[in-house]
Amino acid sequence: QQQVKQSPQSLIVQKGGISIINCAYENTAFDYFPWYQQFPGKGPALLIAIRPDVSEKKEGRFTISFNKSAKQFSLHIMDSQPGDSATYFCAATNFGNEKLTFGTGTRLTIIP
Amino acid sequence: DVKVTQSSRYLVKRTGEKVFLECVQDMDHENMFWYRQDPGLGLRLIYFSYDVKMKEKGDIPEGYSVSREKKERFSLILESASTNQTSMYLCASSPNWGWGYTFGSGTRLTVV
Repeated sequence: QQQVKQSPQSLIVQKGGISIINCAYENTAFDYFPWYQQFPGKGPALLIAIRPDVSEKKEGRFTISFNKSAKQFSLHIMDSQPGDSATYFCAATNFGNEKLTFGTGTRLTIIP
Repeated sequence: DVKVTQSSRYLVKRTGEKVFLECVQDMDHENMFWYRQDPGLGLRLIYFSYDVKMKEKGDIPEGYSVSREKKERFSLILESASTNQTSMYLCASSPNWGWGYTFGSGTRLTVV
């Protein structure tokens, strides 16, 4: 059962533009929402994460926006760079549950 | 530098062979996970372990088994490999009360 829906599946953005990846979840018990970044030939690595007590979290050029009522969260990459080209996964879980539920991934390509 | 190490980057096995994928972590993490990654399907949990000799089925356990005899080592076993098990296999670990997964670099398994 797909509990975290991620879109788009692939995304091409021009250098300097804003990349936006969206995720929606069904389980209202989820209370932790991380994003992972995966470069070719590597495993995913934690990029940024948010708890639902805030609506936005920013780390450098990366921002998570969270809409609890809509059960949606998104990753924004400002001033996108070619080095940001990677696959991005959203995920969700709840306190006491050691397992993450992942989205299906977005392959992001930043073109010069 | 903390690490999750998967024993092989690439493996080619024949249909019907018994296959062992090994994963070792050096972070003293309680939890370890095996995922498979397929295009368009994201990361799907096969099995996870929250303690030595403890295991729990994930979303797609059929055709797989696992072994955790020591805290740092988690093995995935394909009892009789089939072509539909051709995939990228990712091992991850995490501490209790923390959701920072650390992934290995993956093993790309091809079953012919």
